[in-house]
Amino acid sequence: EPEVTQTPSHQVTQMGQEVILRCVPISNHLYFYWYRQILGQKVEFLVSFYNNEISEKSEIFDDQFSVERPDGSNFTLKIRSTKLEDSAMYFCASLDYYGYTFGSGTRLTVV
Amino acid sequence: AQSVTQPDIHITVSEGASLELRCNYSYGATPYLFWYVQSPGQGLQLLLKYFSGDTLVQGIKGFEAEFKRSQSSFNLRKPSVHWSDAAEYFCAVGGKNSGGSNYKLTFGKGTLLTVNP
Repeated sequence: EPEVTQTPSHQVTQMGQEVILRCVPISNHLYFYWYRQILGQKVEFLVSFYNNEISEKSEIFDDQFSVERPDGSNFTLKIRSTKLEDSAMYFCASLDYYGYTFGSGTRLTVV
Repeated sequence: AQSVTQPDIHITVSEGASLELRCNYSYGATPYLFWYVQSPGQGLQLLLKYFSGDTLVQGIKGFEAEFKRSQSSFNLRKPSVHWSDAAEYFCAVGGKNSGGSNYKLTFGKGTLLTVNP
């Protein structure tokens, strides 16, 4: 069964550093998403990406965040200057007619 | 705005007992509805989904859910719970936005299921 692959599974970074979270969505999907789950809380929508551009973003997705699909395969989330409150599990997802497929997540720890 | 309410934060059942997890949603059009399960430190596994058609949907691991439009509910059920079902369960709603180019999901806060032997 096709999978959404996320790397790394766990990343520790110092406050103020830039991080890039990587995702390989399912190849024939057209819609791509990033979601975030702070420990013990619900999963929150960050951003959706369609036709090579952001189609919607939440208020969480401020100027520190950016997304790219540089080569038609990878889908990345960049956080320019991490803050302690960015510590969370980040999920990538892609969508086709049959529904969402989520990756297994990247746990980001900002120290 | 779309929203999901899962009224039960924590439910404890005995192994072999039946289970019902409640989910109420708010959505302006016909919703797409999902139930996901998450074990500690793990990702989100899709249990089942409703897009259209038969309002009783069957999922994996013996789970089912019923879409009731009049009650804005999509409750998850299982007739006999196994110890391995202990996990957190999330209900989610999504669909096309007015621009037709997005299907973002809004999740509930989750229900933690504990299964006693």
